[in-house]
Amino acid sequence: GAVVSQHPSWVICKSGTSVKIECRSLDFQATTMFWYRQFPKQSLMLMATSNEGSKATYEQGVEKDKFLINHASLTLSTLTVTSAHPEDSSFYICSARDRGTYYGYTFGSGTRLTVV
Amino acid sequence: AQKITQTQPGMFVQEKEAVTLDCTYDTSDPSYGLFWYKQPSSGEMIFLIYQGSYDQQNATEGRYSLNFQKARKSANLVISASQLGDSAMYFCAMREMDSNYQLIWGAGTKLIIKP
Repeated sequence: GAVVSQHPSWVICKSGTSVKIECRSLDFQATTMFWYRQFPKQSLMLMATSNEGSKATYEQGVEKDKFLINHASLTLSTLTVTSAHPEDSSFYICSARDRGTYYGYTFGSGTRLTVV
Repeated sequence: AQKITQTQPGMFVQEKEAVTLDCTYDTSDPSYGLFWYKQPSSGEMIFLIYQGSYDQQNATEGRYSLNFQKARKSANLVISASQLGDSAMYFCAMREMDSNYQLIWGAGTKLIIKP
């Protein structure tokens, strides 16, 4: 079936540095990618929606200058957390719109970010 | 107002018993889709089952079935013959017609299967 490869699975970084998370669709074209953030024991919170070749649409309250999303190709979308701080520590997961499945979405495996 | 409501924060169920996870939704769109996902402790989101608003029959996928009651706006997940590996978080989600394919998520239910 369709696969979205998300890397890294986990990352620890120092406060003030930037971290890039990649989501790559391996066998289909992901025209739309959704980026979520999830705090422990909570639901998924949509951060932004990106369409290939256009700027991402951010949800209210999400700082677009802090969470940079690039969707330059049909198979790759990236989320860069700039100048990370401990409060950015969270689980980040991407989900691609997958027209090849009847239910329509394929998720990455998630990235656990810890900022120290 | 909450668009997806999961009223059970947590459930304990004996192994091999059937379990029903509740989900109610709120939408005025005539066309929508309802989803259930499983999230084990590893964090991955595993698709379980989908029900379209115009589907006449309840969706089934192996041990999973969706009890779709449109008039009550309810989409409960039924897991038959529960297994230890079913222990996980379960999320109900909805996609509305003009939502740019965004999913609206419930708060989730933590299911623990007891041996």
